[in-house]
Amino acid sequence: RKEVEQDPGPFNVPEGATVAFNCTYSNSASQSFFWYRQDCRKEPKLLMSVYSSGNEDGRFTAQLNRASQYISLLIRDSKLSDSATYLCVVNPNTGNQFYFGTGTSLTVIP
Amino acid sequence: DVKVTQSSRYLVKRTGEKVFLECVQDMDHENMFWYRQDPGLGLRLIYFSYDVKMKEKGDIPEGYSVSREKKERFSLILESASTNQTSMYLCASSFGGPKNIQYFGAGTRLSVL
Repeated sequence: RKEVEQDPGPFNVPEGATVAFNCTYSNSASQSFFWYRQDCRKEPKLLMSVYSSGNEDGRFTAQLNRASQYISLLIRDSKLSDSATYLCVVNPNTGNQFYFGTGTSLTVIP
Repeated sequence: DVKVTQSSRYLVKRTGEKVFLECVQDMDHENMFWYRQDPGLGLRLIYFSYDVKMKEKGDIPEGYSVSREKKERFSLILESASTNQTSMYLCASSFGGPKNIQYFGAGTRLSVL
């Protein structure tokens, strides 16, 4: 079983829509969770970190469900500029290694 | 701003060549990482280092080696490049601890012909 699994999509949504991505992780002892954004042919950049139950930053909300071992990312009022691949990242706290999902592709359509 | 700098954005090498990819960070981070990213496979960890002269194998270390002689610099070495090492290589760095955040360099797109 993979450490981190994401639905690869693609998700194609109209501007203004709300879209949610889920990510499941296998190590129940994991402590740190992150969502990164990666634009085409660019490096991943941190979008949000999640250490407790959730985090909110403007139109973006990340939620952690430890019982079901998943984290979600909710994007409200989607903008064209939100089009990117969103990577789920988990630090299982067994060392310094991070585990990445394969990413979920989002395209926001005018 | 955290800065992670990779020495080359694009490289073209021939099979059998020795290839050096350099990465420098300016935030005094303890941890440094090398990943490769391939379509459909996501980021896969090659090696990481948590201190000078220390290294740990990641998930796919075969065909690669690393060097960390100074805290700010982490080098990835392909001893004898092969075509299946054509990929995007990403360097990252972070502080230690459970709430560490990784910062990435811009990546090196390597083509081995």
